[in-house]
Amino acid sequence: AQKVTQAQTEISVVEKEDVTLDCVYETRDTTYYLFWYKQPPSGELVFLIRRNSFDEQNEISGRYSWNFQKSTSSFNFTITASQVVDSAVYFCALSEAMDSSYKLIFGSGTRLLVRP
Amino acid sequence: GAGVSQSPSNKVTEKGKDVELRCDPISGHTALYWYRQSLGQGLEFLIYFQGNSAPDKSGLPSDRFSAERTGGSVSTLTIQRTQQEDSAVYLCASSLASRKGETQYFGPGTRLLVL
Repeated sequence: AQKVTQAQTEISVVEKEDVTLDCVYETRDTTYYLFWYKQPPSGELVFLIRRNSFDEQNEISGRYSWNFQKSTSSFNFTITASQVVDSAVYFCALSEAMDSSYKLIFGSGTRLLVRP
Repeated sequence: GAGVSQSPSNKVTEKGKDVELRCDPISGHTALYWYRQSLGQGLEFLIYFQGNSAPDKSGLPSDRFSAERTGGSVSTLTIQRTQQEDSAVYLCASSLASRKGETQYFGPGTRLLVL
């Protein structure tokens, strides 16, 4: 069955530190998509990135980078030089191609607190 | 353009009453999803609409929950005879097409409290 695990419930760092949020997934499908969303205190889920199972290239967007490794079924997210505005709950999610509704299966989220 | 909007933002109701939650997807988006976010269960899928039809209702927790979508746009999630365990944030999302890997964009949610 499909499953997403975010083992880190809460992480606290001091501003300017680098931080990595872990995501491990399980799926039987060979074609799938992985997502990261940010949920700031306002509550709205903000899309950050989408990655398909055939593209293992790492991606960098400003201070954000993502490391996708099929061999370990992981899709980790690193924030470099963290800032207070990065404080939020971050969710990793999986969508399978064989699921006709393409619904998102979410991990339990990691709460990141960046202290000044 | 405008994002996904939901109303009301907050709803407090008494146990046993019916509630209706509304979602306006991004204009032109054909796929619409309802999710629920609660402390105990995390973020869980409820129902998926493709146009006006709902081919996947597998996440609805009981027959007290129903949803409809009209005109391929606005959707309403109805909870009948609310229970305290229905207290949660109900999130709506839409995507441009019903296609694998399509990104879902979320609304701000409706926070429901059942007393």
